[in-house]
Amino acid sequence: DAKTTQPNSMESNEEEPVHLPCNHSTISGTDYIHWYRQLPSQGPEYVIHGLTSNVNNRMASLAIAEDRKSSTLILHRATLRDAAVYYCILRASHLTGNQFYFGTGTSLTVIP
Amino acid sequence: DAGVTQSPTHLIKTRGQQVTLRCSPKSGHDTVSWYQQALGQGPQFIFQYYEEEERQRGNFPDRFSGHQFPNYSSELNVNALLLGDSALYLCASSQGRSNTEAFFGQGTRLTVV
Repeated sequence: DAKTTQPNSMESNEEEPVHLPCNHSTISGTDYIHWYRQLPSQGPEYVIHGLTSNVNNRMASLAIAEDRKSSTLILHRATLRDAAVYYCILRASHLTGNQFYFGTGTSLTVIP
Repeated sequence: DAGVTQSPTHLIKTRGQQVTLRCSPKSGHDTVSWYQQALGQGPQFIFQYYEEEERQRGNFPDRFSGHQFPNYSSELNVNALLLGDSALYLCASSQGRSNTEAFFGQGTRLTVV
């Protein structure tokens, strides 16, 4: 299973951008990069995913390195509701089961 | 759309007992995966069901078994409960033949005493 490496924790001031890094040097050509976040006592919530190109949605942006060995989740303006554990996950092709293998994630603290 | 629903939300069992957890996937989803999340850890993959069959399995003993019904809902069964089985059990649903996002339920908090 391809693994990801994330910092254990990060802090950000409210209304400032946040860049959450993820290293995945063993990624295979068919692995998708997914980001989920989990608030206390809740199930993980989908944030964004991509394969090769940078992606944007209403929640965040995903910047993927050209060699795909790393990626960065960008929250453009952090709010208190963004305080959560963020998981960077490599998801195998649906042909091989496409389950998620979670790491320990990055715990994001947003400072008012 | 109710999303992914799990029942019960909380459960207390005694060591050695058996437990059944239930999951209804999001409308339109045909694949259900189960995860175990210990306190302070990331979710660990248990197994995945697609077309009523177990398609993939993580590193969990045979005490953990499951089932998927024709309506795509699923059950997770754990036999001979151990104290270490205390955790949040999460169900995720997705479309089997796509690489789009999965949707997670709120989980079932199992406490084994």
